[in-house]
Amino acid sequence: NAGVMQNPRHLVRRRGQEARLRCSPMKGHSHVYWYRQLPEEGLKFMVYLQKENIIDESGMPKERFSAEFPKEGPSILRIQQVVRGDSAAYFCASSPAPTGEAFFGQGTRLTVV
Amino acid sequence: QKEVEQNSGPLSVPEGAIASLNCTYSDRGSQSFFWYRQYSGKSPELIMSIYSNGDKEDGRFTAQLNKASQYVSLLIRDSQPSDSATYLCAFRGGATNKLIFGTGTLLAVQP
Repeated sequence: NAGVMQNPRHLVRRRGQEARLRCSPMKGHSHVYWYRQLPEEGLKFMVYLQKENIIDESGMPKERFSAEFPKEGPSILRIQQVVRGDSAAYFCASSPAPTGEAFFGQGTRLTVV
Repeated sequence: QKEVEQNSGPLSVPEGAIASLNCTYSDRGSQSFFWYRQYSGKSPELIMSIYSNGDKEDGRFTAQLNKASQYVSLLIRDSQPSDSATYLCAFRGGATNKLIFGTGTLLAVQP
């Protein structure tokens, strides 16, 4: 039973480019959560999605960031026109239900140069 | 008031001792609580979940929940150097049951 899969593991983008981070949840999980973590800091909630729906995007910056979880395929976190401040580890977690345990992927380390 | 409060540490304990990690949360309606362990440079790993008041034991780990006091703790018995990591408290809160994390407590187990 494969765990939560994130790719790429490492992503380097120049300022102004777009970054696309992908997350495939565990089999049977339809709830996906995205978090951002800066070095030596905690996990900051960004967005919570269920298949084809955004449930809670209260942690998403208003501009340049978007997320989707289509009926088929992985969840995508998209960052347009990246800036140096976007450099961080981005983690995805999934759960089978809105109240239970959630499991994390290995993360994507984004570096903006 | 922060949604989840944890002492950032570091908490230093000798090998073989009991490590006690604490967390308070603000959402009185929350029903689900979790402890994650995160090694440096790695992703968070779920180690305990607790939903009812009282204690829940799993091997060397015991989670304790007191909803009236809005307090959850994690005890690690017979601490080992391999337990050295950041421990993150989390709960499901808000209208959407999103998973909210504390900033974590760094535990250092001294050989």
